[in-house]
Amino acid sequence: EDKVVQSPLSLVVHEGDTVTLNCSYEVTNFRSLLWYKQEKKAPTFLFMLTSSGIEKKSGRLSSILDKKELFSILNITATQTGDSAVYLCAVDNILRSGAGSYQLTFGKGTKLSVIP
Amino acid sequence: GAGVSQSPSNKVTEKGKDVELRCDPISGHTALYWYRQSLGQGLEFLIYFQGNSAPDKSGLPSDRFSAERTGGSVSTLTIQRTQQEDSAVYLCASRNRGQTQYFGPGTRLLVL
Repeated sequence: EDKVVQSPLSLVVHEGDTVTLNCSYEVTNFRSLLWYKQEKKAPTFLFMLTSSGIEKKSGRLSSILDKKELFSILNITATQTGDSAVYLCAVDNILRSGAGSYQLTFGKGTKLSVIP
Repeated sequence: GAGVSQSPSNKVTEKGKDVELRCDPISGHTALYWYRQSLGQGLEFLIYFQGNSAPDKSGLPSDRFSAERTGGSVSTLTIQRTQQEDSAVYLCASRNRGQTQYFGPGTRLLVL
């Protein structure tokens, strides 16, 4: 059974701290790994990673994938209260029906709280 | 519109009633997905549409759940004879040729 495990489940930090969120996975027919930020209801896309060892960066956020060890990390530096959210990791794998279709398998998320 | 829209944003219903949830994907997106997120849980895949057909319905939790998509655009998720355990946020996402799914704001369903 495909699974995605995120850790920690929750994290409380002070503004200015640096945090690292973890995501490990076991899926068949891996295509890519995605990170989303979920503040209220709709997850918003952060990164998509397909190749090992290549860091994706967007402002204070960065992420990297290790396809040999089957994990990814999401780093946030100089955290701000606006970073408070649930961060979801999802792995994109081919649906059983094939034909080029695929689905996302999500982890349970890491709830990040940044306090002033 | 610019993004995926869903309606209603919130729905309160009584146990045993039927509900219909609607999703309007981004214009031109051929793939559409329904997910469910229960309190404190990750997203649970329900069903996927490519055009109007659903190649994989295995994520639907019971035969009370059904979904359809017409005209390759709008999709409705129907839950018949709702139960309290159906209470969750139901999220819809659409995708075009890329691998990124774009999510709608969700429908929060509460079954009393």
